[in-house]
Amino acid sequence: EAGVAQSPRYKIIEKRQSVAFWCNPISGHATLYWYQQILGQGPKLLIQFQNNGVVDDSQLPKDRFSAERLKGVDSTLKIQPAKLEDSAVYLCASSLEPSGELFFGEGSRLTVL
Amino acid sequence: DAKTTQPNSMESNEEEPVHLPCNHSTISGTDYIHWYRQLPSQGPEYVIHGLTSNVNNRMASLAIAEDRKSSTLILHRATLRDAAVYYCILGGYQKVTFGTGTKLQVIP
Repeated sequence: EAGVAQSPRYKIIEKRQSVAFWCNPISGHATLYWYQQILGQGPKLLIQFQNNGVVDDSQLPKDRFSAERLKGVDSTLKIQPAKLEDSAVYLCASSLEPSGELFFGEGSRLTVL
Repeated sequence: DAKTTQPNSMESNEEEPVHLPCNHSTISGTDYIHWYRQLPSQGPEYVIHGLTSNVNNRMASLAIAEDRKSSTLILHRATLRDAAVYYCILGGYQKVTFGTGTKLQVIP
C-alpha cells in the first residue's frame, strides 16, 4: 500500500516569497491533516479536512496560509508571503476516519531566509 | 482542548521494559488516547490507541487508568531502534493535537 506522498521534500525561499506544498493521502482516506513542526516542538495542527470540507482551521494563520483539498483527494498548502518564523517541517497526514490511526508523510522542510 | 502532560525525557537500558506515562485529566468521554513516536528526520509513526480498555499490539501495550485520566505506554523490551520522541495525544472527531512528547533514550 502506498503511503502519504508529499512534495517537495526541501524548499529554501527568501522572506516575502510564496511557496506551495502538495500532499497525496492514502487512497480511500477521507480525513487529511496539515501540521507544522518547528524544530524541537511537537507537530501543531494547522488544518483538518474531512473529504473536501474543512473541519478545523482555527490555528491556520489565514492572512498568509491557505489550504485546499479539491475533489476530496490531494491537498495543497500555500504560504504567501512567507516570514522567517514559517521555517519548519510541514507534515501531511491522513486517516480512514477522524478517530483512527494517522499516517504521516515524510514532510516538507521549509527554510525561509 | 483536552491537554496531555508527559515527562520531557526518560532513559531505559536496552532489553528492559519501558513505561512511558501520560496524564490527561481533562479528557472527554469521546476522546481516544493515541500514542505516536517520531524518529529523527521522520514523520510521526502510529504506535497504539485505545478508548477505555487496555490494548496490545505487536509494538507495545497501552494501559488506561479506570478513570481515564492517565495512561501508560509499555514497551516490553526496549531496543536502540525505540529511541525516539513519544507523543501521547487525545483525539476524537476533531483536532488531533500533539504536545511536546517524551524523548526516550535507550542505553546499550
